[in-house]
Amino acid sequence: GAGVSQSPSNKVTEKGKDVELRCDPISGHTALYWYRQSLGQGLEFLIYFQGNSAPDKSGLPSDRFSAERTGGSVSTLTIQRTQQEDSAVYLCASQRGGQETQYFGPGTRLLVL
Amino acid sequence: RKEVEQDPGPFNVPEGATVAFNCTYSNSASQSFFWYRQDCRKEPKLLMSVYSSGNEDGRFTAQLNRASQYISLLIRDSKLSDSATYLCVVVLTGGFKTIFGAGTRLFVKA
Repeated sequence: GAGVSQSPSNKVTEKGKDVELRCDPISGHTALYWYRQSLGQGLEFLIYFQGNSAPDKSGLPSDRFSAERTGGSVSTLTIQRTQQEDSAVYLCASQRGGQETQYFGPGTRLLVL
Repeated sequence: RKEVEQDPGPFNVPEGATVAFNCTYSNSASQSFFWYRQDCRKEPKLLMSVYSSGNEDGRFTAQLNRASQYISLLIRDSKLSDSATYLCVVVLTGGFKTIFGAGTRLFVKA
């Protein structure tokens, strides 16, 4: 079946602009995660959605970052007033309820000039 | 101190070699443990779960020592296709806050 998809696959933007990154989880998966992976680094947890519950935003690095999940499915990560240090790969993962495995999308490579 | 620490490597080994990766975690409120594999410019994929009783899947063996807060991965009879970065992963109590180590790079050479 279809896996997790993310768009765009690559995004180049200028410092100060806003960007939106999209994640389509696997159908039926109730949990959705956003991570950030900087060059040569491990994944950094950003935010977690579970069903219709309020998301856990404890990993968001600043108030310029926000995320929504509409209808318990598609999620959008928004970065406002991008900075060069925001350049990274942004990965989305989904997870079936009661299961431990997280299934990752291919990521969005963001470059802020 | 990082919450999950791994030797970054790289480990360069010949085909057929046995290689061991170590990982330590600092948060005692950790409930689940995993090894993920990440190929260059690809997304991470689950390799195996890790239990105190040990977990073996073919050439791969994972072990957890809760008292020492230590996780290991052993790869026997290395193949060229094992070349990748291996990520140590800890899920905290509550079941969702997931902490990834920075990964250990492995290169298997013919």
